[in-house]
Order: sequence, then C-alpha cells, then structure tokens
Amino acid sequence: KAGVTQTPRYLIKTRGQQVTLSCSPISGHRSVSWYQQTPGQGLQFLFEYFSETQRNKGNFPGRFSGRQFSNSRSEMNVSTLELGDSALYLCASSRAEGSNEQYFGPGTRLTVT
Amino acid sequence: GQQVMQIPQYQHVQEGEDFTTYCNSSTTLSNIQWYKQRPGGHPVFLIQLVKSGEVKKQKRLTFQFGEAKKNSSLHITATQTTDVGTYFCAARGSNYKLTFGKGTLLTVNP
Repeated sequence: KAGVTQTPRYLIKTRGQQVTLSCSPISGHRSVSWYQQTPGQGLQFLFEYFSETQRNKGNFPGRFSGRQFSNSRSEMNVSTLELGDSALYLCASSRAEGSNEQYFGPGTRLTVT
Repeated sequence: GQQVMQIPQYQHVQEGEDFTTYCNSSTTLSNIQWYKQRPGGHPVFLIQLVKSGEVKKQKRLTFQFGEAKKNSSLHITATQTTDVGTYFCAARGSNYKLTFGKGTLLTVNP
C-alpha cells in the first residue's frame, strides 16, 4: 500500500507570496492532519480534516488555511508568507477521525526568503 | 492548552549502552503515543499506551505508562546505530488536539 505523499517536496518562496501544499493520504484513510515542524518549536498541530470538514485547528494565524476533498486528498495554503513560516510541513493520515495512530508523509520543506 | 514535557532534549550514548526518554504531563492523559523520526525523515508511529501502568515491548524497546497516566517512558536496551533519531511522545488533550513533546534526539557512537 502506498504511503502518504506530499507535493512539492521543496519550495522556495519570497515574503508576501502565498503557497499551496498538497497531501494524498494512504488509500482508505479519511482523516488528514497537518503539522509544522521547526527546530525551535518542534511539531505543532495546524489542523485536522475528516470527511471534508475541518475538525480541529491549532493556534496559527488565519493566514494558514486548508481544505479536504471528497477523495480525502488535502491542501493547505499559507498566504502573505513571512520569514518565520520557513519550516517542514508534514501531513499525516489516519483511518478514522481522532485516531492517534498517524502515518506521516515525507513533508514539504518551505523556505521563505 | 495541554503540554507534554519531554526530557532529556539530547542524549548521546556509546553503542551498547541503554537509553531512556521521559514524557510528563500536568494533566491525566487518556492515552499516549510514541513516534520516531530518523534524521532527514518523517515521524513514524511506534506504539500507543492506553491503560494505567501499561508496559509494552518491541524487541529492545520498552514503553511504560505511569500509574497516574501522567507520565510515560521509552527505554532502549543495548542501543545500536540504527536507533539514532528523535523520539517523540504525543497525547491528545481535552481540546482534542494532538500535542507532541519537543522530542529527545538520540545519537549513538559506534
């Protein structure tokens, strides 16, 4: 069974731009969560989607948004990029809503200059 | 919001030595999970503990959940170079958000 895939793997953007990251969960998994990982703050929860609905949201500004499609694929968008948004963005899928056994993708390394 | 504190932040051992990382919460946890992230990789789910005082083993790895369900530990016996990576604990709080500890980076000297 194929794992979680994320595209693109690497991205360089300029301050003020916006970016869209994509995540395809493991087949059969309906829940997708997003995390931001930085050396200073560690792994921080962004949001969780299940059945195309945002079920939970972390403490991030409104510039961070996401959505989930009917095929469970998910996208997250960051608008008006800031230098501090440079991070590894990880997507994780799980079978059911609220499942603690999460399968992570390889991540998208975003660099904002 | 809920926080899980993890110590130590770093641990360097000689191959063959044991290693332990600890996770503590100020509130009672319903369950706790452990993940491993290899350098340059992504977190990989290791195990979930649910019951008070639960102990689970995976080969050289032993996971424990405290009696009060406020702390947990991961112990590796006789470390190998393949054990290198960052070990995270994670718990879902009353706000239903999955919170990760800051992790313990384990390095092993061959």
